[in-house]
Amino acid sequence: GENVEQHPSTLSVQEGDSAVIKCTYSDSASNYFPWYKQELGKRPQLIIDIRSNVGEKKDQRIAVTLNKTAKHFSLHITETQPEDSAVYFCAAPSREGAGSYQLTFGKGTKLSVIP
Amino acid sequence: DADVTQTPRNRITKTGKRIMLECSQTKGHDRMYWYRQDPGLGLRLIYYSFDVKDINKGEISDGYSVSRQAQAKFSLSLESAIPNQTALYFCATSDTTDPRYEQYFGPGTRLTVT
Repeated sequence: GENVEQHPSTLSVQEGDSAVIKCTYSDSASNYFPWYKQELGKRPQLIIDIRSNVGEKKDQRIAVTLNKTAKHFSLHITETQPEDSAVYFCAAPSREGAGSYQLTFGKGTKLSVIP
Repeated sequence: DADVTQTPRNRITKTGKRIMLECSQTKGHDRMYWYRQDPGLGLRLIYYSFDVKDINKGEISDGYSVSRQAQAKFSLSLESAIPNQTALYFCATSDTTDPRYEQYFGPGTRLTVT
């Protein structure tokens, strides 16, 4: 199965600065890498994802980069705002029997944006 | 996401009691999951089901059991609750045909075992 490592476990940044969260995965066959955001007291929700046929994807202030050779991918948040404070989870698909897949999640990064 | 609901939302129970957490979904998804969340440990998979006749153990299934009563319902049971099962429990669903494997989470059930 897939093994996903996520760093750092906690991250504090000043409002307006950038934040970067990194994940590594073990299965070279993995081809899809989503990021979920969990605000305090809320459920995790998908915020951005990237497929293995591209190296970078952007959506306003957030971007994800992928290095397939090194088997790592990162979440970048620019111009951070207080509402970016949350726990972020990376994930990668792990192959189950008969070609089906399910997600394996990293342990999460608690991001705090200091006003 | 109101399409995935969990009951109860909060529960306090005593050691040794049997408890059931319920999950229902109106998304029409075939896959359903149960996770527990503990600080610093992320989302750990307890059980998952790819359809009504398919039940699979996850990373931490010991002490838990599940039932997939229908495509829309997936229940998690603790046969004899113990204090280290105190955690936040999430149900999630996904669609086999979704190339993003996106999982939709319920609001969570906070369980305390005293």
